[in-house]
Amino acid sequence: KAGVTQTPRYLIKTRGQQVTLSCSPISGHRSVSWYQQTPGQGLQFLFEYFSETQRNKGNFPGRFSGRQFSNSRSEMNVSTLELGDSALYLCASSLVVAPPKNIQYFGAGTRLSVL
Amino acid sequence: AQKITQTQPGMFVQEKEAVTLDCTYDTSDQSYGLFWYKQPSSGEMIFLIYQGSYDEQNATEGRYSLNFQKARKSANLVISASQLGDSAMYFCAMTGNYGGSQGNLIFGKGTKLSVKP
Repeated sequence: KAGVTQTPRYLIKTRGQQVTLSCSPISGHRSVSWYQQTPGQGLQFLFEYFSETQRNKGNFPGRFSGRQFSNSRSEMNVSTLELGDSALYLCASSLVVAPPKNIQYFGAGTRLSVL
Repeated sequence: AQKITQTQPGMFVQEKEAVTLDCTYDTSDQSYGLFWYKQPSSGEMIFLIYQGSYDEQNATEGRYSLNFQKARKSANLVISASQLGDSAMYFCAMTGNYGGSQGNLIFGKGTKLSVKP
């Protein structure tokens, strides 16, 4: 069974640009979550999508947005990039199991560098 | 506010020995989940083990076991018979409470484990 696939693996952008990252979940998983990982702030939750609806959102500005398609694939978008947006962006998928047993399986991440 | 604390930034262990990675947590929720993930240098987060707050027995998954002490709010990971491939960052996490809805994760800062041959 294929794991979570994130594309692209690496991206280089300049300040002010926008970027779109893609995530394909494990087959059958309907929940997709996104996390940002930086050396300073560690791993922080961005948002979660289930059945094409945003179900939860972390504490990030509106420049960070996402969506989910009917096949559960998800994209996240960051507009007006800032230097501080340089990070590893991780996507995770999970079966819809009642919390707290919501085991998330992660992809390899997209490493974004903003110059 | 919920919080995960990992007090060991880095640890060394000899190959084939056991090692314990510390994790303490803080939450006011009665029902919560605790997780450990491994992150090799490649970046992928690999799920290792889960413990529910109402589970009476400590979780085990192969060489991994979770030493859950609810009263102390600790969830230490024990790796038995360390292997060179265990060298990685290890993250402790718990289910977060976002606007009253659980499910997503709050992570600690991580512990970098190095296994020596």
